[in-house]
Amino acid sequence: GAVVSQHPSRVICKSGTSVKIECRSLDFQATTMFWYRQFPKQSLMLMATSNEGSKATYEQGVEKDKFLINHASLTLSTLTVTSAHPEDSSFYICSAQVVGGRTTYEQYFGPGTRLTVT
Amino acid sequence: AQSVSQHNHHVILSEAASLELGCNYSYGGTVNLFWYVQYPGQHLQLLLKYFSGDPLVKGIKGFEAEFIKSKFSFNLRKPSVQWSDTAEYFCAVSGSGTYKYIFGTGTRLKVLA
Repeated sequence: GAVVSQHPSRVICKSGTSVKIECRSLDFQATTMFWYRQFPKQSLMLMATSNEGSKATYEQGVEKDKFLINHASLTLSTLTVTSAHPEDSSFYICSAQVVGGRTTYEQYFGPGTRLTVT
Repeated sequence: AQSVSQHNHHVILSEAASLELGCNYSYGGTVNLFWYVQYPGQHLQLLLKYFSGDPLVKGIKGFEAEFIKSKFSFNLRKPSVQWSDTAEYFCAVSGSGTYKYIFGTGTRLKVLA
């Protein structure tokens, strides 16, 4: 149980275009999803917290107009990188939290999406 | 400032050696503590977690961790590592009442067969 999927797993796009990454909780409902960015050989940096039906909360230094997050349902959140540039190339990981119960504070992670902007 | 420190960035061990990975945190108030593992090419998986109660927690694959409140530490241990334990290990902290994690920088473990 508690499986999180991401699509696509890899994407290459040209500079100036936009890319959408999907994050789905497959067998549970998640009121909260998180989006992280992982640089090579570094830790996960939280970009934003996404709550179903409300606006995402962005961490300091993250451009909300560049990284658009939509959490349309309890099982789907999307991250759109708008007008992508080479410096946006990174590994993007989402996670989801189970609603209620003792596992409320536990996050389940997706496999990540490797974005390369050329 | 809230932070998590993992002192060992790279660790190389031979099979059957004992493992201890350090994790110290700076966080005001009650905390929830986690260790995640990321095998090559795979997503993060939860090894173990501490919310409350017995400060010695046991996780999957023979791992355990001890929460020492006075030292703000949550070190990960395994008595005898295997080649398959080669992975990156992340310590994470969240405050009670908040769902956000703060991750440490990770420790890359390589186990030699």
